[in-house]
Amino acid sequence: GQNIDQPTEMTATEGAIVQINCTYQTSGFNGLFWYQQHAGEAPTFLSYNVLDGLEEKGRFSSFLSRSKGYSYLLLKELQMKDSASYLCAVRNSGNTPLVFGKGTRLSVIA
Amino acid sequence: DAGVTQSPTHLIKTRGQQVTLRCSPKSGHDTVSWYQQALGQGPQFIFQYYEEEERQRGNFPDRFSGHQFPNYSSELNVNALLLGDSALYLCASSRPTGGYEQYFGPGTRLTVT
Repeated sequence: GQNIDQPTEMTATEGAIVQINCTYQTSGFNGLFWYQQHAGEAPTFLSYNVLDGLEEKGRFSSFLSRSKGYSYLLLKELQMKDSASYLCAVRNSGNTPLVFGKGTRLSVIA
Repeated sequence: DAGVTQSPTHLIKTRGQQVTLRCSPKSGHDTVSWYQQALGQGPQFIFQYYEEEERQRGNFPDRFSGHQFPNYSSELNVNALLLGDSALYLCASSRPTGGYEQYFGPGTRLTVT
């Protein structure tokens, strides 16, 4: 079977750093994706990891450990506009469709 | 460069009715995938179209069917609507090889009453 787990909700303070974890068990692995989704809107691409290690892109970083089936998304210098759901998704192979977790709803408070 | 577009934005239907949703992929993309996203859940894969054929399918009943046209646009049809079909329907486009990213459209919010 395939299973992707991430926390349901998180709250963090404006200006702080937050780490959103994702663990996965899938039949294959060809990349892990993080998407941001504001309420009522489409998911927007944040990051892609296929090799172990850290990928940094501005205030957002994503880490992958394939041996542990684990990834995290790190958001620095949090802003109120970062309040959204963050979706972890795995691609099993080739161009197969993404398997999504249920998402983590992040609330940024003043 | 136009991104993925979907129509309509919102739709209200009655149980038992049929619905057709439409999607135009991002320029240069020829693969279209459809996802259903229930409230508070992650998107669930319905099916994927490439070269006008259904290439992959998720765990959805035959009431869900689709089509892809020569210009790569796509339709999702749902027959005999159930209350549980109420969701946000997302279309994502991608290239079949060499590209890893899926670009999502704004979605169609379907409400079945």
